[in-house]
Amino acid sequence: AQSVTQPDIHITVSEGASLELRCNYSYGATPYLFWYVQSPGQGLQLLLKYFSGDTLVQGIKGFEAEFKRSQSSFNLRKPSVHWSDAAEYFCAVGEPGANNLFFGTGTRLTVIP
Amino acid sequence: EAQVTQNPRYLITVTGKKLTVTCSQNMNHEYMSWYRQDPGLGLRQIYYSMNVEVTDKGDVPEGYKVSRKEKRNFPLILESPSPNQTSLYFCASRFLSSGSRNEQYFGPGTRLTVT
Repeated sequence: AQSVTQPDIHITVSEGASLELRCNYSYGATPYLFWYVQSPGQGLQLLLKYFSGDTLVQGIKGFEAEFKRSQSSFNLRKPSVHWSDAAEYFCAVGEPGANNLFFGTGTRLTVIP
Repeated sequence: EAQVTQNPRYLITVTGKKLTVTCSQNMNHEYMSWYRQDPGLGLRQIYYSMNVEVTDKGDVPEGYKVSRKEKRNFPLILESPSPNQTSLYFCASRFLSSGSRNEQYFGPGTRLTVT
């Protein structure tokens, strides 16, 4: 069965600093990979997705993520964090041919001035 | 505008009082799903539906019911709510074609408190 691990429950960064949120998955083949963001009191917004091809994917709001098959990882990055990026971030994995998405437990990002 | 809508957005109720949370999508998606989100647990799937009159259990179905009488609507029913169903609930939908690749569109969430 698939599993998704986000090892960092809470991360604090200074505005303007770089950011990397970690995501590791357990799945035998190459899954579909997603990052969602949930701003306070809001629903889930898709930041970016990976299905195949180029392992570095660009998303909205200046985010990118890199799929590393050898490490079973799909880490989310942003070179310069803005205060509005404070939110909770969820990594999700989908299995080709299946219907469900498996979510990590989320990483809460705090941005300090 | 393509969207998934949920109502109500906030609900406080008492133990045992039946309630329904509605979900509607205007994208003609075949697949619809309900999740609950709890701190430290991420999102867990409650029920899903692959088309009208086709529903199936997810990971945490106990205490919930669903129905899919129309393609656009997928209500979540709590026949006898209990405090452990206090949670944030999300409805999601997507196309079933292989091209959709599991990409789901989420509603804004319903925060339910059962006292």
